Amino acid sequence: QSALTQPASVSGSPGQSITISCTGTSSVIGSYNLVSWYQQHPGKAPKLMIYEGSKRPSGVSNRFSGSKSDNTASLTISGLQAEDEADYYCCSYAGSGTRVFGGGTKLTVL
Amino acid sequence: EVQLVESGGGLVKPGGSLRLSCAASGFTFSNAWMTWVRQAPGKGLEWVGRIKTKTDGGTADYAAPVKGRFTISRDDSKKTLYLQMNSLKTEDTAVYYCTTDTYCSRTSCYTSAFDIWGQGTMVTVSS
Repeated sequence: QSALTQPASVSGSPGQSITISCTGTSSVIGSYNLVSWYQQHPGKAPKLMIYEGSKRPSGVSNRFSGSKSDNTASLTISGLQAEDEADYYCCSYAGSGTRVFGGGTKLTVL
Repeated sequence: EVQLVESGGGLVKPGGSLRLSCAASGFTFSNAWMTWVRQAPGKGLEWVGRIKTKTDGGTADYAAPVKGRFTISRDDSKKTLYLQMNSLKTEDTAVYYCTTDTYCSRTSCYTSAFDIWGQGTMVTVSS
């Protein structure tokens, strides 16, 4: 059982916006601004999409944005495109040098 | 080209040992905190452990399920990361990825951001 809770699946139509939540505890997400988000297509390695809650690495589309409120982090994808269909994982620093992933969310573009 | 290449995976019996390697190229390996992440078949990502740079002490931290059984080490002269896995269990069956626990923008570097990933190596623990 993950310390971070994500919805198992979300869906949206092309052009729409969707938000994936990642809920932790006050001692995980709530205490640190060290949440990152990863996109994983089937059979591929994950790709860093967001770090430190809301920062985008170079090369990642500005359609991807991150935010945090209390113990919940969120990833929003605007202007959905077919290639956004993938699994998405949040990850947070969990204290004592450890990190923890969420269970993952499967995004379907209808 | 920036690259991480894992090797050493395979089939091992419960209770056995295996050592994974991760060869780095195209970036300054000695400056990067490094992490192992695994993914069981059809399951999500699981953080396994991380080792800091020698400059930052070179210490490693581990997830509870592997603590005491797995050891992460690094050889900066060979630009290689290792994962020594002992007392393997069937639940350790997974694809094991190495990744940098550091993202560097033009001006700063940040940890807790897994930037460069290898292609993964499969470890199967079965009798």
